[in-house]
Amino acid sequence: DQQVKQNSPSLSVQEGRISILNCDYTNSMFDYFLWYKKYPAEGPTFLISISSIKDKNEDGRFTVFLNKSAKHLSLHIVPSQPGDSAVYFCAASDQGAQKLVFGQGTRLTINP
Amino acid sequence: DTAVSQTPKYLVTQMGNDKSIKCEQNLGHDTMYWYKQDSKKFLKIMFSYNNKELIINETVPNRFSPKSPDKAHLNLHINSLELGDSAVYFCASSRNSQSSGNTIYFGEGSWLTVV
Repeated sequence: DQQVKQNSPSLSVQEGRISILNCDYTNSMFDYFLWYKKYPAEGPTFLISISSIKDKNEDGRFTVFLNKSAKHLSLHIVPSQPGDSAVYFCAASDQGAQKLVFGQGTRLTINP
Repeated sequence: DTAVSQTPKYLVTQMGNDKSIKCEQNLGHDTMYWYKQDSKKFLKIMFSYNNKELIINETVPNRFSPKSPDKAHLNLHINSLELGDSAVYFCASSRNSQSSGNTIYFGEGSWLTVV
């Protein structure tokens, strides 16, 4: 039972345009959401997070949007840069479970 | 200085062998984890320890035994390795496990191949 889903295994975007990565979840108890970025042969690196009390969090070129009623979050990267090419994982947690549940990742490729 | 470091990075071994992966964090965190990324690329938690005490064991076979000698170290020992154990194992740590809102920091991963 996959509680966090990233339905797009891959996404290709032109440099300078906006990249939008999507994530859906099923567990209404999740109250904290994170995005991680992973390069080949490296561990996931924390990118940005959002608490369920907010609907938007921005950090430079990265913005995460949370729609609790739809159980959906998205990561916007603008403008996209070649160094953004990586696999992006969405993750969620709830206080009771004390663990992160990850989606299966979306491979983002930024084309020059 | 790597915040979460794990060794070895690559390990190829035969079925039936016993092997260990070591992990250390220098972030002063109380909680450490082992995650497994399987062939389908899902990242799933295996264990977590808080101040050397096991708090999560996610129905992992008994052949996997984590050991935490102190809160900065969490080693993973695997007995009688099977082909299906081939995966990437990530060690991670966070400040504590008491609330959500904790960011988890990952090591670079250990690529285990069982032949």
